[in-house]
Amino acid sequence: QKEVEQNSGPLSVPEGAIASLNCTYSDRGSQSFFWYRQYSGKSPELIMSIYSNGDKEDGRFTAQLNKASQYVSLLIRDSQPSDSATYLCALKVAGSARQLTFGSGTQLTVLP
Amino acid sequence: EAQVTQNPRYLITVTGKKLTVTCSQNMNHEYMSWYRQDPGLGLRQIYYSMNVEVTDKGDVPEGYKVSRKEKRNFPLILESPSPNQTSLYFCASSWDRYGNEQFFGPGTRLTVL
Repeated sequence: QKEVEQNSGPLSVPEGAIASLNCTYSDRGSQSFFWYRQYSGKSPELIMSIYSNGDKEDGRFTAQLNKASQYVSLLIRDSQPSDSATYLCALKVAGSARQLTFGSGTQLTVLP
Repeated sequence: EAQVTQNPRYLITVTGKKLTVTCSQNMNHEYMSWYRQDPGLGLRQIYYSMNVEVTDKGDVPEGYKVSRKEKRNFPLILESPSPNQTSLYFCASSWDRYGNEQFFGPGTRLTVL
């Protein structure tokens, strides 16, 4: 089992809809969770970080973390065509300086 | 503007010819790291540094060297590049010494013939 699993997609939603991206992980020692957005040919861009159970909202983005069930999700409200990108889930184990462990990414397309 | 810069952005070279990819950040970040991104394999860490003169291996360090002589700079050195090092390389930095909330540079696309 991969350490971080994401639905590979592609995921298509109409403009204005809610896009839901999910990520599960296997290491219970994971404590820091991140969502990155990556446009084709560009670098990953940090859009959300979440460290404790529950919801964290930032504009149209909401990250949800459930450590007991070992999943983290990202909701994008009022999706726009400019949100079309690959979304990468990443995590870090507490107290470790080693890498962010990335999922393989979910490709999102928002249809006008 | 706060940023991570990498040079060159594109490089085509031949097997065995030593090269250096530079990385610099202007945010006074403690942590810096190098990743490579390959289709089907995702992002994988090569090396990281928690502070000046402190570096350690990531998951795929073979064939690479790094140094951290100054806080702002973290060059990646390929002493003898091989075709399997053809990849998209990203430098990243973080205010946090453990590397939470890493910010990525624009990437360097390397082709080794």
